[in-house]
Amino acid sequence: EAQVTQNPRYLITVTGKKLTVTCSQNMNHEYMSWYRQDPGLGLRQIYYSMNVEVTDKGDVPEGYKVSRKEKRNFPLILESPSPNQTSLYFCASSIRLAGGARTGELFFGEGSRLTVL
Amino acid sequence: DAKTTQPPSMDCAEGRAANLPCNHSTISGNEYVYWYRQIHSQGPQYIIHGLKNNETNEMASLIITEDRKSSTLILPHATLRDTAVYYCIVRARMDSSYKLIFGSGTRLLVRP
Repeated sequence: EAQVTQNPRYLITVTGKKLTVTCSQNMNHEYMSWYRQDPGLGLRQIYYSMNVEVTDKGDVPEGYKVSRKEKRNFPLILESPSPNQTSLYFCASSIRLAGGARTGELFFGEGSRLTVL
Repeated sequence: DAKTTQPPSMDCAEGRAANLPCNHSTISGNEYVYWYRQIHSQGPQYIIHGLKNNETNEMASLIITEDRKSSTLILPHATLRDTAVYYCIVRARMDSSYKLIFGSGTRLLVRP
């Protein structure tokens, strides 16, 4: 089954304790991205990656790192989490836009709810 | 990307068609209209997209006006599981960031 898998789905942690949210897709997609969703602010893009070893900042990259060493994986790293990073996080992937009927469709994971105390 | 305007909420009866409107009066020629939905706090789910022709798939139909300034997403036979927030997004297809700007969307409630 085609899917984007995030782990953990739920996490409560404390300020300053490094954590990683993993994201894996099995659709051989070149493009992957991280969003966060907060009440009243909608979904905002954190980082994205066009392919292996190619990453770029989205709208709200501060406090986050990413890496893309393999095509299927795109982990989100919070080196020193703070309470303002408490949020619902979504990973998404897509085939690169290069023509075809279904290009541009983003597949989202189920979300990771992070609480930083 | 062009701004979209959607009603904050709508409801319809189970089994009836749900027609969700979206205004995008500043859309430009190379921008597509995408629809996604989010059920509770799950990941958004792609529904359909189109440029200027009407489109239909197994989930829904998309009707785009001739001037492309507005569109309507139609769920032909709404079920309780269609209760969700529906997002209308306008985006240039070749936007390299692939960023989707999710507004507030329309909260659709399907009544039994």
